[in-house]
Amino acid sequence: AQTVTQSQPEMSVQEAETVTLSCTYDTSENNYYLFWYKQPPSRQMILVIRQEAYKQQNATENRFSVNFQKAAKSFSLKISDSQLGDTAMYFCAFIVSGTYKYIFGTGTRLKVLA
Amino acid sequence: ETGVTQTPRHLVMGMTNKKSLKCEQHLGHNAMYWYKQSAKKPLELMFVYNFKEQTENNSVPSRFSPECPNSSHLFLHLHTLQPEDSALYLCASSQVQEAPYGYTFGSGTRLTVV
Repeated sequence: AQTVTQSQPEMSVQEAETVTLSCTYDTSENNYYLFWYKQPPSRQMILVIRQEAYKQQNATENRFSVNFQKAAKSFSLKISDSQLGDTAMYFCAFIVSGTYKYIFGTGTRLKVLA
Repeated sequence: ETGVTQTPRHLVMGMTNKKSLKCEQHLGHNAMYWYKQSAKKPLELMFVYNFKEQTENNSVPSRFSPECPNSSHLFLHLHTLQPEDSALYLCASSQVQEAPYGYTFGSGTRLTVV
């Protein structure tokens, strides 16, 4: 079965500091895409960052970066210089290439403290 | 208006009521999705429409009835729901059904069944 595990239900970080959210996944497929989505209190899920599994280089989007370890099936999200606006639920997800079913984790609630 | 718009934002309904959720996108996307989001659970895919044709019904009870009159609009008709159906219902869209670049989500309808 294909699964995503986010082992940290809740986390907090001080403003301007760095935090890492963990995600592990399980699939027997070799070609897939990995995602982190952010869901703020407004409830709209927003794509934060995307990684193609065939690329070894870790994706980066401004203050957001990932540590992708394919052999370990690990896909953690690092948020640098945390801002109050980063307070949200963060969901890790993947989709196998050529399919349309995303597999989501249960989310990590992140609170950035002033 | 850009993005994915869902109405109503909140809905309270009795178990004998009939109501509908609406989703609208003007992004030119051809695939639309209904997801159910419950606390501490992964997002559950309910229905997928590709070019107005339903391509996925993820074993959803018949008290949920989707409708996709065109590629821009998606409805979820509700009748004789149960309290356990209370959840956040998210609509999403993507350019194509195989969505390696992620979805665009709406802000959801918070449904409470009393």
